[in-house]
Amino acid sequence: EPEVTQTPSHQVTQMGQEVILRCVPISNHLYFYWYRQILGQKVEFLVSFYNNEISEKSEIFDDQFSVERPDGSNFTLKIRSTKLEDSAMYFCASSPWTGIMNTEAFFGQGTRLTVV
Amino acid sequence: QQQVKQSPQSLIVQKGGISIINCAYENTAFDYFPWYQQFPGKGPALLIAIRPDVSEKKEGRFTISFNKSAKQFSLHIMDSQPGDSATYFCAASKGETSGSRLTFGEGTQLTVNP
Repeated sequence: EPEVTQTPSHQVTQMGQEVILRCVPISNHLYFYWYRQILGQKVEFLVSFYNNEISEKSEIFDDQFSVERPDGSNFTLKIRSTKLEDSAMYFCASSPWTGIMNTEAFFGQGTRLTVV
Repeated sequence: QQQVKQSPQSLIVQKGGISIINCAYENTAFDYFPWYQQFPGKGPALLIAIRPDVSEKKEGRFTISFNKSAKQFSLHIMDSQPGDSATYFCAASKGETSGSRLTFGEGTQLTVNP
């Protein structure tokens, strides 16, 4: 069964350092997303990406964040200068194109980011 | 207006019982309402979803009830099993195009005792 894969599973970084979280979406999917989940809280939308550009972003996704699809398979989230409050589980997700209807978003296992 | 409120925060049910989790939304533009199941250390996985043109959808032991006028929807798990113990999230999105963001509820930690 196809799945979204994320690496690394756990990343520890010093405050102020840059981190790149990596994702391989399901191969025939066209929409890509990043969500985050602070421990014990709900899953929050960060950004969606379609046709090589950001289609929507939340208030959380400020100038410290960026996304990129550097090749045909990877989708990355970069945090330029990490803060303690960036510590969270980051989920990548992807969904297929179905025309006008919303459809299932498939989530990866997540990357736990710990900023110390 | 973008919020989805979920209750209860936690739920303990005996094996064989019915688990009921409720959600309410504010934004009338939402028209896709999925429920996600999350096990510890895993990402959320779609369990069942409904669109507002129907009031109920059933898949096996899982049923979504949808009340458009009240802007509420709920998940019913019949014959709950210990393997159903997980965190359940309701969500909502606007479906004018594929790829719309999901707005999640706060989550319900379900424990099914054997």
